[in-house]
Amino acid sequence: GAGVSQSPSNKVTEKGKDVELRCDPISGHTALYWYRQSLGQGLEFLIYFQGNSAPDKSGLPSDRFSAERTGGSVSTLTIQRTQQEDSAVYLCASRASGAGTDTQYFGPGTRLTVL
Amino acid sequence: QKEVEQNSGPLSVPEGAIASLNCTYSDRGSQSFFWYRQYSGKSPELIMSIYSNGDKEDGRFTAQLNKASQYVSLLIRDSQPSDSATYLCAVFGSSNYKLTFGKGTLLTVNP
Repeated sequence: GAGVSQSPSNKVTEKGKDVELRCDPISGHTALYWYRQSLGQGLEFLIYFQGNSAPDKSGLPSDRFSAERTGGSVSTLTIQRTQQEDSAVYLCASRASGAGTDTQYFGPGTRLTVL
Repeated sequence: QKEVEQNSGPLSVPEGAIASLNCTYSDRGSQSFFWYRQYSGKSPELIMSIYSNGDKEDGRFTAQLNKASQYVSLLIRDSQPSDSATYLCAVFGSSNYKLTFGKGTLLTVNP
C-alpha cells in the first residue's frame, strides 16, 4: 500500500479489558509516531520510534500504555485495563528520515470506545 | 512546556472571501512549521510547510512565518465550501523530531 494503514478502524471494548492497535507505516519510513485525539481536541503526542534508537515515550499518559515496533516496521500500541477516558481516536504517522523529509503522513486512525 | 496556540473559532467566511488562520508558538528554537487540514472524522493531511521568514504560496494557500514574533498564519484565497474543515498548526520543536500541534481552528465557508 502507498499510505499508512491502521487496524482496526473501530474498536469497542469494556472497561478493564486490554486492547491492541496496529500501525503499518509507509514502506521505508524509519520514523513512526502515535498520537491520540479526543473529541474536539488537538493531537496529543504519545510515543516516537526512530530506527533502532530507544523510543521517546514521554507522551504516554500512564503505565497502562505501551508500544513496540518490531523489525523497524509495524507498530502495536497496547492499552491495558482500559478506562473510559481512554476513548479517543488513535492516530499513527510515519516519516522518512534525512534532509527535507520532515513531513508526517497520517493513517486513518483507530476509533476506540471504552464502555 | 512547548505550546502551540490557535484560535479555536469557529471562523465563518462567505464563499470567495479570504480566510485567515493564525497560530503562535512558544519554542524559539523551532525551525519547521506546518499546516494540516482535518475534515470531520478523517485524519490530518498536510497542506503547507514553511521554514523561512516571509510568505510561501501554493495555489490558493499562502503560509506566512515571522520567527521574531513566533507567529505563523495561513491565508486561503477564494474560499470554497470544500475548504470547511479544522486547520491544525504544527511546529517541530528544537529537538526537530517531535511535532507539537495546536488544537485547531474550525473553518466554515458558507455558500
